[in-house]
Amino acid sequence: GAVVSQHPSWVICKSGTSVKIECRSLDFQATTMFWYRQFPKQSLMLMATSNEGSKATYEQGVEKDKFLINHASLTLSTLTVTSAHPEDSSFYICSAGRGVWEETQYFGPGTRLLVL
Amino acid sequence: AQTVTQSQPEMSVQEAETVTLSCTYDTSENNYYLFWYKQPPSRQMILVIRQEAYKQQNATENRFSVNFQKAAKSFSLKISDSQLGDTAMYFCAFSRENSGGGADGLTFGKGTHLIIQP
Repeated sequence: GAVVSQHPSWVICKSGTSVKIECRSLDFQATTMFWYRQFPKQSLMLMATSNEGSKATYEQGVEKDKFLINHASLTLSTLTVTSAHPEDSSFYICSAGRGVWEETQYFGPGTRLLVL
Repeated sequence: AQTVTQSQPEMSVQEAETVTLSCTYDTSENNYYLFWYKQPPSRQMILVIRQEAYKQQNATENRFSVNFQKAAKSFSLKISDSQLGDTAMYFCAFSRENSGGGADGLTFGKGTHLIIQP
């Protein structure tokens, strides 16, 4: 299989604090992981591509200083929402492919973030 | 930039009926992949079916099949013998082929909410 986990599944934080979300590939190595954001009743929007051992590539309009991505190993990528504000409240989902040759992305279960 | 358009916000059919969800896309890429993902209320994204653009044969996975018309940039999903468990949001998605032959990040359509009535 190709299982991707995320932690935490949901988080509530105060405005101004930072929140870290972990994305792990449990049974395969992922040189590339992707981070998406989904607002209620909307589609998924690609935020950034996380590459193991190098800097992430951000989509246009996504603040890289706001959404810090670290891909420290072949099985772990983290997304840190810095100085979170209520407008950052959303559903964050990661995905990974089993290799650069893999066309299919396997998704984590998502993390629901609520900023008060 | 790529765009994916799903023109049906919501569809409702009776159990056991056949339903077709439409999707069109726009790209200047020659090599790419197309996907249909299902998102049930749990919000877990589940791959339904995928299609490589260079393959002329339409992909099929059990009750799910696609009608891929590359020249028209159309990629519709047909669900046969629909079941109550098929109720979900369905997203059409596009990805360019990367340098390794795999896929870049996905561009999603706005989704179609499919409701299967008992």
